Formats: sequence, structure tokens, C-alpha cells
Amino acid sequence: GAGVSQSPSNKVTEKGKDVELRCDPISGHTALYWYRQSLGQGLEFLIYFQGNSAPDKSGLPSDRFSAERTGGSVSTLTIQRTQQEDSAVYLCASSRQVGHGETQYFGPGTRLLVL
Amino acid sequence: AQRVTQPEKLLSVFKGAPVELKCNYSYSGSPELFWYVQYSRQRLQLLLRHISRESIKGFTADLNKGETSFHLKKPFAQEEDSAMYYCALSGLGGSQGNLIFGKGTKLSVKP
Repeated sequence: GAGVSQSPSNKVTEKGKDVELRCDPISGHTALYWYRQSLGQGLEFLIYFQGNSAPDKSGLPSDRFSAERTGGSVSTLTIQRTQQEDSAVYLCASSRQVGHGETQYFGPGTRLLVL
Repeated sequence: AQRVTQPEKLLSVFKGAPVELKCNYSYSGSPELFWYVQYSRQRLQLLLRHISRESIKGFTADLNKGETSFHLKKPFAQEEDSAMYYCALSGLGGSQGNLIFGKGTKLSVKP
């Protein structure tokens, strides 16, 4: 079946603008995760969803970052007033359910460049 | 604190040589550990997980709780093994299920 998809694949924006990144998980997967991959920082967890709810938002780097998920499927990560340090690859992953040890399947990522 | 350490940023070996990518972790409780791989221009994908105790593409990894390690090994490296390898730990507590990644090791297998 289809894997996790993300759009856009690349996004160039100007400092101060808002951006929306989209993730479409594998059908039937109730858990959805957002990670950020920065040069020199590795992969950093941002937020996860169980169904439509996000029990833990502590991984979001600032209040400029927000995420939502509707209908238990597609998720959107929004970054307001983008800064140059937000430049990174944003990865989405999904798994059958939230749980200790569930395999996560990753999307191709959105490469964000803030000028 | 939960942490994953991959001490080598880059590992270069010749084809046919053994390879070991090191991973150490810090964790309280029973860990769930994974190795993910990212080939050039491809997405991050699961290579293996310790709970399965299986060999994938000739790679194995054994969880050593005494040394808190989960090193990835292959007896004879192939050129197609060249990729970025990430060790990951499944988190607990308020962030159940999220993965904590090491910074990755780039494996380069030379002909």
C-alpha cells in the first residue's frame, strides 16, 4: 500500500512568513509523529498524535510551532513567523498505534529553507 | 534522561570487511531499540529492532543491557550498505512511543 506522504517536498520562504507542512499517514495508522532533522542536530522529536489529540507538546521548540490532525488522518505542522534557525527537514512518521516499540514508518520529508 | 549516543560520525571500510556501528543508550527500564537506515535520496526506513532478534541484509544487533549498548554488525560489508545509520530508542512517560535518535553514523563502503 501507499506509504506516508508529505507535501510540499521543498519550501523556500522569507523570514517572518508562516508556513504549513502537510503529512498524510498510512491508512489505518492511529499514531502520527513529527520530527525535525537539522544539520548537526540529528533527528529531534517535535510532537505526536494519538488519533486527533496531541497529549504531549513539550517537544515543540517554541510557541511559533503548532500542529493539528483532523479526522484521525492528515496532519498539518504550522510554523508562524519563521526564523532562519527553522530551516531543516521536517519528517512525519506513522505507526499502527502509539506504544512502546511500535515500528514507525517515515515520509520523505519537507525540506524547509528560511531566507 | 533518555539518550542515544553514536560515537562515530563517519565509518569507512572496504568491501568485504567486517563493520560495527556503535550505539550506546541511557535509559531507565526495559528499552526498545531500533536501527534505522537512510540510503541516498531515500526516506528513513527501519532496518531492524532488537525485539525481533532477526538478521536483515546480513546485519545483526544484540542488546547488551550490562554495557547499555546496541551495536550494529555485519561480517562482510557491501558497497550497497553505504548509507546513514541511526540508532533509536523508544521513549516512555509523557511521550509514549516517540523515538529518541542518535546523531547517526555515515557508513561508506569502498570498492
